Amino acid sequence: DAGVTQSPTHLIKTRGQQVTLRCSPKSGHDTVSWYQQALGQGPQFIFQYYEEEERQRGNFPDRFSGHQFPNYSSELNVNALLLGDSALYLCASSSGLAGSLYEQYFGPGTRLTVT
Amino acid sequence: AQSVAQPEDQVNVAEGNPLTVKCTYSVSGNPYLFWYVQYPNRGLQFLLKYITGDNLVKGSYGFEAEFNKSQTSFHLKKPSALVSDSALYFCAVRDAGYSTLTFGKGTMLLVSP
Repeated sequence: DAGVTQSPTHLIKTRGQQVTLRCSPKSGHDTVSWYQQALGQGPQFIFQYYEEEERQRGNFPDRFSGHQFPNYSSELNVNALLLGDSALYLCASSSGLAGSLYEQYFGPGTRLTVT
Repeated sequence: AQSVAQPEDQVNVAEGNPLTVKCTYSVSGNPYLFWYVQYPNRGLQFLLKYITGDNLVKGSYGFEAEFNKSQTSFHLKKPSALVSDSALYFCAVRDAGYSTLTFGKGTMLLVSP
């Protein structure tokens, strides 16, 4: 049973560029959440997708956007990259049932470096 | 707004000794609490969760956590530490409505041989 997968593993971009990160959820999961983990910090919630719609959003600017596909996979897009966007981006999948108590399963992350 | 505090940046313990990694939380309503572990260059791995029921929760790799409502704490424990337990540990609280998590800043656990 494949767990959560993310691509690419590492990415180097220049300020002002745009980036797309990808995530495939664990089998049987239909909800994808994205987190940003800056160096030395805990993960911070960016947004969550369920049924191809953004269901909840954290305190991140509109430069951060996402998408969920019919097969439940997801993309995170970041426009106009800033140096401060350098971080490990984590994708987590879970069951989307309202009030679900299932824990989130995390992928290995994508390390984004902005120069 | 919900929050989690991990007061220790680092915990040092000798192999074979018991370990405790501290976590306190602040939520409105019933708390749903989690512990995750992160090894270098890896994502987060789920250790255990408290939803309801017994205050002592048992999880993966011999870890357990004690929920204390009066002290709003959820400390992670293990009776006998292993060198391989050395990693970064995160406490998290779940949003009441959905499954999003709010994390603490993490505690580095170093187990010496």
